[in-house]
Amino acid sequence: AQSVSQHNHHVILSEAASLELGCNYSYGGTVNLFWYVQYPGQHLQLLLKYFSGDPLVKGIKGFEAEFIKSKFSFNLRKPSVQWSDTAEYFCAVKADFSGGYNKLIFGAGTRLAVHP
Amino acid sequence: GAVVSQHPSWVICKSGTSVKIECRSLDFQATTMFWYRQFPKQSLMLMATSNEGSKATYEQGVEKDKFLINHASLTLSTLTVTSAHPEDSSFYICSARDSRGAYNEQFFGPGTRLTVL
Repeated sequence: AQSVSQHNHHVILSEAASLELGCNYSYGGTVNLFWYVQYPGQHLQLLLKYFSGDPLVKGIKGFEAEFIKSKFSFNLRKPSVQWSDTAEYFCAVKADFSGGYNKLIFGAGTRLAVHP
Repeated sequence: GAVVSQHPSWVICKSGTSVKIECRSLDFQATTMFWYRQFPKQSLMLMATSNEGSKATYEQGVEKDKFLINHASLTLSTLTVTSAHPEDSSFYICSARDSRGAYNEQFFGPGTRLTVL
């Protein structure tokens, strides 16, 4: 079955530290990949997405992610985090199923806390 | 980006009653909307895919008679939790697919927290 794994459930960093959140998926077909962020008390927002082309994608707020097809990975990175990056981060894969049906499959999420 | 609203944002009800949650796309038409359930400290689990004018497609293990979905217009989908029980308490999130763009991006609502006493 298709699945998305996020390796870190909780990450605690100091401001200005670098961030990398791991995401691996299991699906053999063509995938579209996403990272969403959920700030405390707010709804899910799209950080970035990969559909095709350059495997290094840049998103909002200085985030980027790299799609490595051979590793089935789509890790999220940011060189220097800020206190305002405290949030929960979800990796998601859009997989196609028979009959033209597709759906987003989410990872379990990573809760990031950034200390000033 | 496009805006999706949900109403109510939170609801408390007695066991055995039914609760209706609305999901609206405010500035775009959505032929497809999705309903998710999120348990504390867990990920979003897709419950069903709602297509305007047709029956919803439910994920395996989701009771269609318990979670009634209606998508009668291009901007509104409703989820009715029938005969709610405490185990139905959860955070319900809808999303709507914007088919105008090249990537059919999904936009998420703020969620509805349901507590069944």
